[in-house]
Amino acid sequence: QVQLVESGGGLVKPGGSLRLSCAASGFTFSDYYMSWIRQAPGKGLEWVSYISDSISHTNYADSVKGRFTISRDNAKNFLYLQMNSLRAEDTAVYYCARDQGGGSHANWGQGTLVTVSS
Amino acid sequence: QSALTQSASVSGSPGQSITISCTGTSSDVGGYNYVSWYQQHPGKAPKLMIYDVTKRPSGVSNRFSGSKSDNTASLTISGLQAEDEADYYCSSYSSSSTWVFGGGTKVTVL
Repeated sequence: QVQLVESGGGLVKPGGSLRLSCAASGFTFSDYYMSWIRQAPGKGLEWVSYISDSISHTNYADSVKGRFTISRDNAKNFLYLQMNSLRAEDTAVYYCARDQGGGSHANWGQGTLVTVSS
Repeated sequence: QSALTQSASVSGSPGQSITISCTGTSSDVGGYNYVSWYQQHPGKAPKLMIYDVTKRPSGVSNRFSGSKSDNTASLTISGLQAEDEADYYCSSYSSSSTWVFGGGTKVTVL
């Protein structure tokens, strides 16, 4: 069955960097678009970024554009999110998700918590 | 990339039907048939309940149904059950290849 396991979260100071990873299994990873979605403590969901199956297309929410970079390794079945210049407002649980046609997020990982604080 | 508008909370008794609305603009909900709905229980990851406005993923109860009219999408839960108590989020494809979520609706089963 589809399994997505995020890792790499933790406590980081404002202005710092962190790289999140998402290990995918149970499906042909290279056939699917993938997304990162986050949820601040006690708040709603916020779409962060997506990457196409062939890596040719990416896009970002305005709130992270220029600071975050999404990437993937189709040979290793991994999705990544490089987060630079982190701010307090980036504090959230970060989920990776497998996308399907139309951009709905069909499967989600359990999430990894990123806390930005001095 | 403004969030879609959802009512904060909806409640109903077991067996009743409830409807959650999600209002956007012609640049998102009204412009594309790519509205999806997610259920989230406390401390858990979201679960896809409806996609492409009206489609149900395999395994999701047919008590859940979706619809759309102009810039407003709706999720209806019929035959409300205790396990349906959760937060529900709508999402839509938006112009410029981005996606936007609603603020979430807390469903309470009385």
